[in-house]
Amino acid sequence: GAGVSQSPSNKVTEKGKDVELRCDPISGHTALYWYRQSLGQGLEFLIYFQGNSAPDKSGLPSDRFSAERTGGSVSTLTIQRTQQEDSAVYLCASSRTSGGPTDTQYFGPGTRLTVL
Amino acid sequence: DQQVKQNSPSLSVQEGRISILNCDYTNSMFDYFLWYKKYPAEGPTFLISISSIKDKNEDGRFTVFLNKSAKHLSLHIVPSQPGDSAVYFCAADDNAGGTSYGKLTFGQGTILTVHP
Repeated sequence: GAGVSQSPSNKVTEKGKDVELRCDPISGHTALYWYRQSLGQGLEFLIYFQGNSAPDKSGLPSDRFSAERTGGSVSTLTIQRTQQEDSAVYLCASSRTSGGPTDTQYFGPGTRLTVL
Repeated sequence: DQQVKQNSPSLSVQEGRISILNCDYTNSMFDYFLWYKKYPAEGPTFLISISSIKDKNEDGRFTVFLNKSAKHLSLHIVPSQPGDSAVYFCAADDNAGGTSYGKLTFGQGTILTVHP
């Protein structure tokens, strides 16, 4: 079966522009996570969706970042007025059920964002 | 504040020898630990995990050891194979009083190179 897919794989943008990153989770997975990995850093949690519940946005670094998940499936991460420090690899993961730590998270290949 | 640290950015070993990857954490509330493996241009994939009620978990060539008093865990790979060459991330979850949903805190990663 298909894994988690993300698009685009690479995105180069100019400072101040808005970008949208897309994640298609594994079919039937109810939990979805966004992480980012900046150069030399570990993966940093951004946001978590579980079914139709309100998302946990506690990891979003600023109000320029937002995410939505339509129909409990596809998710879009939007970064408005991008800054150079937003340059990172943005990773999406999904898990089958309620998303506890024992529920394996399956990661997509990531979107490499470069802000010039 | 880096709550999960992998102090060795890289490790090089000979095929057939043991690889030991280390990880330290500071948050005493972490009670579940995971190792992920990442190949270039791919997302991380789950490798092995351990609950804080155990001090060892083994799966084939991979063994994870947890020393709670030292807040230290390690991943042993024996014997190492060239296909094990990848970036290895440790991650931790604090279970937030039973309400955790897999919000993981990751280390920076260690690049393992296994030479034939």
